[in-house]
Amino acid sequence: EAGVVQSPRYKIIEKKQPVAFWCNPISGHNTLYWYRQNLGQGPELLIRYENEEAVDDSQLPKDRFSAERLKGVDSTLKIQPAELGDSAVYLCASSLDVPSYEQYFGPGTRLTVT
Amino acid sequence: QKEVEQNSGPLSVPEGAIASLNCTYSDRVSQSFFWYRQYSGKSPELIMSIYSNGDKEDGRFTAQLNKASQYVSLLIRDSQPSDSATYLCATPLAGSYQLTFGKGTKLSVIP
Repeated sequence: EAGVVQSPRYKIIEKKQPVAFWCNPISGHNTLYWYRQNLGQGPELLIRYENEEAVDDSQLPKDRFSAERLKGVDSTLKIQPAELGDSAVYLCASSLDVPSYEQYFGPGTRLTVT
Repeated sequence: QKEVEQNSGPLSVPEGAIASLNCTYSDRVSQSFFWYRQYSGKSPELIMSIYSNGDKEDGRFTAQLNKASQYVSLLIRDSQPSDSATYLCATPLAGSYQLTFGKGTKLSVIP
């Protein structure tokens, strides 16, 4: 069974530029999560999808961040414009059902904003 | 107090010893706890879950939950260098499906 796929793995951009991350969850997993992990910290939830519906986006900085999961499968997280403080690892995870805390994480995208 | 607190370490133990990782939590979380292991530069991987008071054993790993004292522990017996990683404690916020993670404890097993 293929795991959660994310791309790109690394991204370096200048501040004020836009950036997008892509995630394809494990096949059949209805719930998808985007987390941000800063160095030396645990992951922090940005948004959770159940199928194509965003059911928990209270932690998403909506002035610059947006996400979509149009067909209930893969998802895109966008930042526009990026700020220096956005440098972090962006992790995508999926789980079969909700509630499920057995979440499977992708390899993450390491974003560096210069 | 943060919802979940962990000593960031590093915790160093000799190979073959028991490694003890601890996590304390506030009243703002539910009573389900999860331990994730994260190797350097890799993503978190779920290794243990515990839902009720007491101990739960899985191979060399034992999770312990003490609700009265509001702490949860992970014991690793016969520690191996391959156990060297950061261990994250996670639990849902009360009334929520949102997992909140501790900062993680970095474990180094010395050969």
